[in-house]
Amino acid sequence: GAVVSQHPSWVICKSGTSVKIECRSLDFQATTMFWYRQFPKQSLMLMATSNEGSKATYEQGVEKDKFLINHASLTLSTLTVTSAHPEDSSFYICSSTVDQTSNQPQHFGDGTRLSIL
Amino acid sequence: QKEVEQDPGPLSVPEGAIVSLNCTYSNSAFQYFMWYRQYSRKGPELLMYTYSSGNKEDGRFTAQVDKSSKYISLFIRDSQPSDSATYLCAMRYSGNTPLVFGKGTRLSVIA
Repeated sequence: GAVVSQHPSWVICKSGTSVKIECRSLDFQATTMFWYRQFPKQSLMLMATSNEGSKATYEQGVEKDKFLINHASLTLSTLTVTSAHPEDSSFYICSSTVDQTSNQPQHFGDGTRLSIL
Repeated sequence: QKEVEQDPGPLSVPEGAIVSLNCTYSNSAFQYFMWYRQYSRKGPELLMYTYSSGNKEDGRFTAQVDKSSKYISLFIRDSQPSDSATYLCAMRYSGNTPLVFGKGTRLSVIA
């Protein structure tokens, strides 16, 4: 089945550090990648939609200067949390669909647990 | 009213029981319905994917969609301790659009 690989799985760093999260589609081309955030015992909330070769679309309330998304190739999208603070600690997950032209379900990466001290 | 409502539980059942998980939604424009299973500190894993009213069966899992009532269900037969996880319903409009999730239901199957 479709595989979305996300790296790293867990990051612990000091406040003020920037952290990059990578999401790769291993056996398909991901024209669109969705980035979600999940706080403990809560559901997934969409942060942004990235499209290969163009600017990401951010959801209301998500700071685009803080959460930088780059989708420079059809198999790689990155999310950089700039100058991270403790309130940015969360579980970040990416997802994509195998076939962008038809209505296929989304497959998710395994998530990145970000802990800011 | 939230777009997708799902009882967060927790739900605890004995091994072998039939589990029923449900979601309701308010927007009739949703076309595609999914159930995901999420283990702790892992990404959601797709269990079922449906796009029309009716039932869809896959092994011990049955997904049911009733578009007229805006209600979807997931049934798990012969539940196992390994089924213990959070179950998320999700839905979206047509096209390559993002998912809207329910809150997730935490299920524990006790041996």
